[in-house]
Amino acid sequence: GNSVTQMEGPVTLSEEAFLTINCTYTATGYPSLFWYVQYPGEGLQLLLKATKADDKGSNKGFEATYRKETTSFHLEKGSVQVSDSAVYFCALSMTTDSWGKLQFGAGTQVVVTP
Amino acid sequence: NAGVTQTPKFRVLKTGQSMTLLCAQDMNHEYMYWYRQDPGMGLRLIHYSVGEGTTAKGEVPDGYNVSRLKKQNFLLGLESAAPSQTSVYFCASSYWNTDTQYFGPGTRLTVL
Repeated sequence: GNSVTQMEGPVTLSEEAFLTINCTYTATGYPSLFWYVQYPGEGLQLLLKATKADDKGSNKGFEATYRKETTSFHLEKGSVQVSDSAVYFCALSMTTDSWGKLQFGAGTQVVVTP
Repeated sequence: NAGVTQTPKFRVLKTGQSMTLLCAQDMNHEYMYWYRQDPGMGLRLIHYSVGEGTTAKGEVPDGYNVSRLKKQNFLLGLESAAPSQTSVYFCASSYWNTDTQYFGPGTRLTVL
């Protein structure tokens, strides 16, 4: 079946440091890929997405590129802020799936210190 | 425009008790979903609905029932709560199956 694997946390960084969160996937077919973010005490919200190979999703200074050859969708940000402290989830869905199921990774907690 | 709301925010149950979680969305979305979030496991789909009057099972449906009598509401029921159902429950909705899912703030349920 389809699955998503992302690096374990917590990831602790200083403000203005570079952030990378690795995400790889296994899927039969061509999934759409997503990064969701969950701030403390809140629900998940979409951060960015990419629907086909070589697409780059970007939002709020975060970027991720859909790499079909390495089945990866790593999340990056050049200079993190304390407000980026959150749990980040990588997810996929299959466009052929009639019910739009999202398959989530386990989540990576990011802690940014001043 | 409130988006997706969930009621209640917190609940503590004793084993064997029943309860209903309510999800409401005001975006006229067709698709609605119930997930549970457990540490180290991401989110797992419990049940979903592709329109008013329809429901279907997700990955982990055992012990739960759902109903979608109105397009804007999706109810999740626990008939006889068990400690294994201690979790954070999230509702989500979307226009169609390939669209972005919008999540509610969650319900933290503890079963003693």
